[in-house]
Amino acid sequence: DAGVIQSPRHEVTEMGQEVTLRCKPISGHNSLFWYRQTMMRGLELLIYFNNNVPIDDSGMPEDRFSAKMPNASFSTLKIQPSEPRDSAVYFCASSLIQGATDTQYFGPGTRLTVL
Amino acid sequence: KQEVTQIPAALSVPEGENLVLNCSFTDSAIYNLQWFRQDPGKGLTSLLLIQSSQREQTSGRLNASLDKSSGRSTLYIAASQPGDSATYLCAVRRGSGNTGKLIFGQGTTLQVKP
Repeated sequence: DAGVIQSPRHEVTEMGQEVTLRCKPISGHNSLFWYRQTMMRGLELLIYFNNNVPIDDSGMPEDRFSAKMPNASFSTLKIQPSEPRDSAVYFCASSLIQGATDTQYFGPGTRLTVL
Repeated sequence: KQEVTQIPAALSVPEGENLVLNCSFTDSAIYNLQWFRQDPGKGLTSLLLIQSSQREQTSGRLNASLDKSSGRSTLYIAASQPGDSATYLCAVRRGSGNTGKLIFGQGTTLQVKP
């Protein structure tokens, strides 16, 4: 398996623009997670899905952020409008939550810079 | 509210030394604890996962222990190598079933000097 795939790897945009980040989880996994990592706040969970259904979105900072998972093999995280404080590395991770074993596998991340 | 703390924030050791990284958490009602490695500019790689009913897990030169009652976990790295240089993060999972949320510590950045 190719692992978790994220695109783009780098995104530079101007304040006010819409940004869409994409993630393809590992085939067969039933859970998908979106994280944001900054120097100040470390790694924070934004939202996670189980069987394509959002379970916990309490980490989504505000209404400018939205996430979808239309099927088991694809998810998007959208920021509209983007602001400079959204600059961070955004990670997608997937896992198979089945009983006690649920190791999360992370993608390489998307480094977002909002000017 | 669960909080995860890692001490020290940074550590520099000479090659060959054995070392211990520490992780503490405030709520002992965890389902499991994971240790991850993150290389600069890369994603996280899972190293070890310890279930709440377990005391330790081993993988090669790595050994992770868990003491739920005291809210502590350690990651022991034997015979450290320059390739071990990375940031190590611990994360606790709060609940079972589909409550898969992980709470991460801030990480310990390790440098192993040749």
